[in-house]
Amino acid sequence: DTEVTQTPKHLVMGMTNKKSLKCEQHMGHRAMYWYKQKAKKPPELMFVYSYEKLSINESVPSRFSPECPNSSLLNLHLHALQPEDSALYLCASSQDRYNEQFFGPGTRLTVL
Amino acid sequence: QKEVEQNSGPLSVPEGAIASLNCTYSDRGSQSFFWYRQYSGKSPELIMFIYSNGDKEDGRFTAQLNKASQYVSLLIRDSQPSDSATYLCAVILMVPTGNQFYFGTGTSLTVIP
Repeated sequence: DTEVTQTPKHLVMGMTNKKSLKCEQHMGHRAMYWYKQKAKKPPELMFVYSYEKLSINESVPSRFSPECPNSSLLNLHLHALQPEDSALYLCASSQDRYNEQFFGPGTRLTVL
Repeated sequence: QKEVEQNSGPLSVPEGAIASLNCTYSDRGSQSFFWYRQYSGKSPELIMFIYSNGDKEDGRFTAQLNKASQYVSLLIRDSQPSDSATYLCAVILMVPTGNQFYFGTGTSLTVIP
């Protein structure tokens, strides 16, 4: 299995909702990442987990809360988001932080 | 200076021509370099990686690395309309918090039939 999967594909939420994005990989990778991507911009790193420990948090607002329950799973919990948080949220994984990253298909998030 | 820089384009080439995409990076200690292709509305897809100076070929794609000039490029031979996409250069840089993956801003390529 050489895929990174993400659910849901699309998510529409209000500013008072709580939702979660999920990411899974079965490649035995030990580094997993969350990125945010706006239209016509490169992916912007949010969080890095290395060996299930949070190793990078790029000053992301606390309304985004990552979780790594095990080496295959990565969640992003969302609460009280703003309309400007609407974007494509990408999960990626790599063997470790020294190797190429493989991306999931992304979750298109719209905040109303 | 940004860590990884690319010409944003857009770059237009006729079908069958060679498309040349360029990327410069700031850290002389960088060892790993990647090219991703991203179609509109889709996620980035890894198409090439290169670690050593020189050329690396894979089908119609050639990655070229010059560490002395801190320059990495991607050549696409016999360009096809299906190559129309944004191409992202990525570099693993050594930073105080550990190795970090940096993307360039991407170059938009259009191949004209």
